[in-house]
Amino acid sequence: GQNIDQPTEMTATEGAIVQINCTYQTSGFNGLFWYQQHAGEAPTFLSYNVLDGLEEKGRFSSFLSRSKGYSYLLLKELQMKDSASYLCAVRDGDYKLSFGAGTTVTVRA
Amino acid sequence: IAGITQAPTSQILAAGRRMTLRCTQDMRHNAMYWYRQDLGLGLRLIHYSNTAGTTGKGEVPDGYSVSRANTDDFPLTLASAVPSQTSVYFCASSDLGEMTQYFGPGTRLTVL
Repeated sequence: GQNIDQPTEMTATEGAIVQINCTYQTSGFNGLFWYQQHAGEAPTFLSYNVLDGLEEKGRFSSFLSRSKGYSYLLLKELQMKDSASYLCAVRDGDYKLSFGAGTTVTVRA
Repeated sequence: IAGITQAPTSQILAAGRRMTLRCTQDMRHNAMYWYRQDLGLGLRLIHYSNTAGTTGKGEVPDGYSVSRANTDDFPLTLASAVPSQTSVYFCASSDLGEMTQYFGPGTRLTVL
């Protein structure tokens, strides 16, 4: 099975940077995903890492260290619309996802 | 492009009743999934299907059943609903090996 930990809540100011950490213990690893979920809506895909290192996509970047069982999602130039929950998920060898409980990010003006 | 649709959007159900949540995708994805999302627990996999005609159990399958008669549809049935099944249910689909799963809009189910 998978054990995935991420902080429950984070608050940051508009224009700032926030880093959401995710640690995992897994019986099989086939990629790490980050999803964004606004309140009352479905999760939407943000990023994917399968190899160690940083993946950058606009204002969002995601980092993976497989040896440490660690990932982070970096949100830069925060905007009010970035207020949402961010879900860390690990994919196993059968292509099934296990999700962390999610981190609620609140962006303040 | 419809993507994934779920029905109903929300439902209030008496305990002991039978209920089927519907999920349809038009992306011809071979894999489909059912999750429940509860506050503080995140998304948990109930059942999945890697291809039409096959299904598998996820993390929390008890009290639920699924079928996959064709590629597009993946209904989730609660044979006899209990209050602990009150949750938001999300259906998702993907091509095996593809980077992401695509999620439907969800069904909010309340069992009284």
